Amino acid sequence: DAGITQSPRYKITETGRQVTLMCHQTWSHSYMFWYRQDLGHGLRLIYYSAAADITDKGEVPDGYVVSRSKTENFPLTLESATRSQTSVYFCASSPTKAPGTQHFGDGTRLSIL
Amino acid sequence: QQPVQSPQAVILREGEDAVINCSSSKALYSVHWYRQKHGEAPVFLMILLKGGEQKGHDKISASFNEKKQQSSLYLTASQLSYSGTYFCGTEVLDGLTFGKGTHLIIQP
Repeated sequence: DAGITQSPRYKITETGRQVTLMCHQTWSHSYMFWYRQDLGHGLRLIYYSAAADITDKGEVPDGYVVSRSKTENFPLTLESATRSQTSVYFCASSPTKAPGTQHFGDGTRLSIL
Repeated sequence: QQPVQSPQAVILREGEDAVINCSSSKALYSVHWYRQKHGEAPVFLMILLKGGEQKGHDKISASFNEKKQQSSLYLTASQLSYSGTYFCGTEVLDGLTFGKGTHLIIQP
């Protein structure tokens, strides 16, 4: 089915571990985004990508790494997880940059102990 | 910088109206409205563009005052299905930054 899927849906890991969140879209949208959602903060942009091999920092990029070797995939890696990175992570895609409509995945709930 | 939303929460009876406000400290070129139900992804409602017309979606409409850097979302004759958290988003870099959200609870 067409759409945007994130995996895993839930993840528990320990401080200092590396963890990768996956995002896959089937629309061939050029733009992809990673947001984190925390209570009291709304959604904040971590990284975004305009096309394969083009990525840029968002509002809160520290502690995160992204790559985009293929248009359809946009993984987000926490190289050394910290408790402050416990959050719900949403991936989104859009055919254009803002103000294009963004389509969100179902999110990954990440807990770091 | 994230836009500021008000109120933080609203409790309504089915059929009542609600207004959710969104304001920014910087110039706005567009305002985006999304709704999120608990445990689900945010879902797009509408975009308001600078110089554009007021938008509507069923009984949900919105306005955009560019000079005041504000937008308002109007929910008319609210239905139970309108419950959720409403976010306004404004452009940052090539993506969006969202307000903290307004929790809307509709009671029968």
